[in-house]
Formats: sequence, structure tokens, C-alpha cells
Amino acid sequence: GDSVTQMEGPVTLSEEACLTINCTYTATGYPSLFWYVQYPGEGLQLLLKATKADDKGSNKGFEATYRKETTSFHLEKGSVQVSDSAVYFCALSDLVNTGFQKLVFGTGTRLLVSP
Amino acid sequence: DTAVSQTPKYLVTQMGNDKSIKCEQNLGHDTMYWYKQDSKKFLKIMFSYNNKELIINETVPNRFSPKSPDKAHLNLHINSLELGDSAVYFCASSQESGTTVSYEQYFGPGTRLTVT
Repeated sequence: GDSVTQMEGPVTLSEEACLTINCTYTATGYPSLFWYVQYPGEGLQLLLKATKADDKGSNKGFEATYRKETTSFHLEKGSVQVSDSAVYFCALSDLVNTGFQKLVFGTGTRLLVSP
Repeated sequence: DTAVSQTPKYLVTQMGNDKSIKCEQNLGHDTMYWYKQDSKKFLKIMFSYNNKELIINETVPNRFSPKSPDKAHLNLHINSLELGDSAVYFCASSQESGTTVSYEQYFGPGTRLTVT
């Protein structure tokens, strides 16, 4: 079935450093791709998404581009803040045999930003 | 206003007990989900309902029984709890049909279940 692989964490950065969290996927069709963020003690929140090849999703200074040729959707931010410390999940939408979508998540990458 | 709410937030119980977790969404979505997040943060879908009908049923022990009394509610009942059921359970919702399909899922705050 479809799957998502993302880099293991934790990723430890100083404030204002550049961030890249790698995500690659395996899919038989053309899924939509997502980044979700989970702050400590909270549920997941959608950070950004891209629905087709070459789309760029962006939100709160984060960006990710849907690269069909490399089957990747890497998350980037030019200057991280302490408040960005969280667990980041890459996900794809997978069509199930009922005709509905389900999300397949990567294992999550913890980001720790120090002042 | 909380979009997706779950009760209880914490649940501590002994092996062999039966417990329920409730979920409600006020987003008007037609699809709801239950996910299990283990201690390593791995997140896996368990069930999904669309307009009260079961549409996704992953390989989950039949001790777990979801129930959707209406499209705004999805409850999860667990019989004969085991140590391995300890996890955080997340409810989510999305709009899967009609003119506003988005596939974006909105998550509740989670229920931390501890089985002793």
C-alpha cells in the first residue's frame, strides 16, 4: 500500500536557523500531500497541503513543494522560532476501496528549537 | 468554540474493564475518524464513518467497536482492555462529499488511555 517515510528526529536547532524535514512517499496514484503539526499535549493541526505535482503549500513561514519526479514533499522554513518546537507529520491521502480517502502518516519528526 | 472535542481527556483503568471515549464535531463535516497514536508518536487510522456508515475498518481487534449515532458524533467503545491498548486516541473529521470536498482532517485534542 501507499506509505510515507520521513526523517527521524529529534531535529535540534537554534532560533533563526534554517529547517528542512525530509519526506518521501510511495503511492500508486496521485495523492494529495500534507504536513500536520502536533504541539505538546495537543491534537494534530494541518500546517500546509499540496494537491498536485509542482504545487507549493505554505503557511506560517513553512513551505513544501510536491515533487512528483522525486516523490518528495520536504518541509522547509528559513528561520525557526522556539514556538515551532513540535512534532511534524508528513501524510498522503490514499483512496480506499470504498471510494473514500484515508490519511497515511509518516512516523513524525520532533523539532526542538532552543533560544 | 471547539471544533472537534473528545471526552474524557485522560482515562486510567484496569485490565479487563470496558470503557468508552466520545467525540463530537461542530464543523458540519460528514466524515469522522478514530486514530491511535502509540508511545513513539506513530499514528494509525482505526475507523472512519461517513454519514453514520462505516467506510474504513482497519485491522483492529473486535474488542473495539465504534458507533456513530449521527454524523456529528463518533464514539469508541473498548471491551476487555489490555495493556497494549494504552495510547492516545484521536478523533478527527473532514468533509468528503458534496460540493466542498477538501480531505483536510481536523483533529480533536486526544484521549490518553492508560491501562494498568
